[in-house]
Amino acid sequence: AQSVTQLDSHVSVSEGTPVLLRCNYSSSYSPSLFWYVQHPNKGLQLLLKYTSAATLVKGINGFEAEFKKSETSFHLTKPSAHMSDAAEYFCVVSDLRSPEKLTFGTGTRLTIIP
Amino acid sequence: GAGVSQSPSNKVTEKGKDVELRCDPISGHTALYWYRQRLGQGLEFLIYFQGNSAPDKSGLPSDRFSAERTGESVSTLTIQRTQQEDSAVYLCASSLSTGGQVYGYTFGSGTRLTVV
Repeated sequence: AQSVTQLDSHVSVSEGTPVLLRCNYSSSYSPSLFWYVQHPNKGLQLLLKYTSAATLVKGINGFEAEFKKSETSFHLTKPSAHMSDAAEYFCVVSDLRSPEKLTFGTGTRLTIIP
Repeated sequence: GAGVSQSPSNKVTEKGKDVELRCDPISGHTALYWYRQRLGQGLEFLIYFQGNSAPDKSGLPSDRFSAERTGESVSTLTIQRTQQEDSAVYLCASSLSTGGQVYGYTFGSGTRLTVV
């Protein structure tokens, strides 16, 4: 079975400082990994995805994530936080055996301090 | 439409009543998914439709839950005899064919169901 662990339920950073949201996954088959963002009262939006191509994936709004198989990690980073980045972030995994079933992490709430 | 549309956006119902939630996927998206998001938790997979194939119902939590889809368009999720533990945000998503892994999934804004 596949699973995702988001190591921090809440992260606070100051505006202009780096962001790191941690995610570890477990999958018996070749995983696909995603990060989604959910702003208050809005739908989930795809930030970026890894599907066995380049291990460093660049997404929208300056976010990127690196797939590290040896560490089973897919941490989300951004060099400089902006106030508009405040939201809930979900790490998501699917695998070749059940490609259409997404397994979501419990989410990390990112707060930006002015 | 431009995005995935869900209705109603909010629904308050009394325990024991039936509710119907509606999802309009993006035109041309043959794959449609329902997920449930309980407060403070990640999303739970409920059911998946792909074209005219039999739906994958493996995530439905009980026989009180059912879903239908008309061709490759609208889907309705029905919860019979609602219980308080059914209170959650119900999210619908669609994707191109079975390409969710490649193209990503587009989610609606959800229906917030409150059972009182």
